[in-house]
Amino acid sequence: GAGVSQSPRYKVTKRGQDVALRCDPISGHVSLYWYRQALGQGPEFLTYFNYEAQQDKSGLPNDRFSAERPEGSISTLTIQRTEQRDSAMYRCASSSVPNRGSGGYTFGSGTRLTVV
Amino acid sequence: GDSVTQMEGPVTLSEEAFLTINCTYTATGYPSLFWYVQYPGEGLQLLLKATKADDKGSNKGFEATYRKETTSFHLEKGSVQVSDSAVYFCALLDTGTASKLTFGTGTRLQVTL
Repeated sequence: GAGVSQSPRYKVTKRGQDVALRCDPISGHVSLYWYRQALGQGPEFLTYFNYEAQQDKSGLPNDRFSAERPEGSISTLTIQRTEQRDSAMYRCASSSVPNRGSGGYTFGSGTRLTVV
Repeated sequence: GDSVTQMEGPVTLSEEAFLTINCTYTATGYPSLFWYVQYPGEGLQLLLKATKADDKGSNKGFEATYRKETTSFHLEKGSVQVSDSAVYFCALLDTGTASKLTFGTGTRLQVTL
């Protein structure tokens, strides 16, 4: 597509429920990144993929968080048993060349997750 | 580990005033440096970048120079407009995998008539 598309734009869920956040990167972009941004803070790295391979998941806060990109295009970030502290903006970004983020990423508009 | 420190906001300026938003960083080696901007209701957009010492990134009248000796990348604009009102984030790219961005906390700029 023309840009990085994330869905849903807003998600309100009850504590304890599982949520799945979707990211559709720019067509042909091989690297895909997930970041989390708390209110009033800068984005924090969660994980990234080159093609379908997850290269680094060191930023995932705990084992309730997981991500996949099975066909090297669309990615899903899943949060199991959500907690109120998971409330944040979740941002996805993509880049055209792996490990060449020096060109800067293209970010999507984000998914605002609220856990009540 | 890598870190970025930016001046706290909000910064409130009158139109046509000079803008400086300070940014300093701590990193291993010489990372690439970026400024991203988030306009109200929109996503993060790359504003400018510099990939090596003494490089100057520029875009839309904004400039920032990569200063290795002071580990800084301050954002400047000579004459701000109301349309520049946004949150500005300084960021660095890790020198290991060249894949992870580390962001500062952001500085909100409000420009008034």
